[in-house]
Amino acid sequence: DQQVKQNSPSLSVQEGRISILNCDYTNSMFDYFLWYKKYPAEGPTFLISISSIKDKNEDGRFTVFLNKSAKHLSLHIVPSQPGDSAVYFCAALLTSGTYKYIFGTGTRLKVLA
Amino acid sequence: GAGVSQSPSNKVTEKGKDVELRCDPISGHTALYWYRQSLGQGLEFLIYFQGNSAPDKSGLPSDRFSAERTGGSVSTLTIQRTQQEDSAVYLCASSLVSAGTQYFGPGTRLLVL
Repeated sequence: DQQVKQNSPSLSVQEGRISILNCDYTNSMFDYFLWYKKYPAEGPTFLISISSIKDKNEDGRFTVFLNKSAKHLSLHIVPSQPGDSAVYFCAALLTSGTYKYIFGTGTRLKVLA
Repeated sequence: GAGVSQSPSNKVTEKGKDVELRCDPISGHTALYWYRQSLGQGLEFLIYFQGNSAPDKSGLPSDRFSAERTGGSVSTLTIQRTQQEDSAVYLCASSLVSAGTQYFGPGTRLLVL
């Protein structure tokens, strides 16, 4: 039962253009959503998060949008840079009775110079 | 400052042997999480510690898996009688408080032959 899904395993984008990474979830009880970035042979690093009561959060080149009715969130990176090439994981946090993060399977982003 | 460290970085073992994986969280972080990432999969939640207690062990795949945390710091994940399907990267993360930003270690890559 995959509660958090990233249906695109990979994405290629030209440098300077926008990268849009998508994530769908099934559990309406999630309180927060997060994006992590992972380089090979390293642990994931936190990128940006959004509370379930918000619909947008922006941090520099990174913006996360949340559509609760569609149970969908997306990460926009603009402009994309070659250093953004990594695997991006979407995660959702349950805080009721536990603190449990559910991760998606990741999307490999390649930014072409 | 020091981040989350994990040891060993790589472990090759024979089927049926026991293994111990160690996680040193960031000093002062009260919450600690173990995840597993199998090839081509997302991060699978295993267990969460708040201090030395584990409020949520729901992700442990079988009774061959156990974890403990002592002194509110170091944690060990033990896998008894390893099986080939246990081969994965085991990641540890810590956060200052539950639901705080997670900081991940580099992982232990376990290969069971």
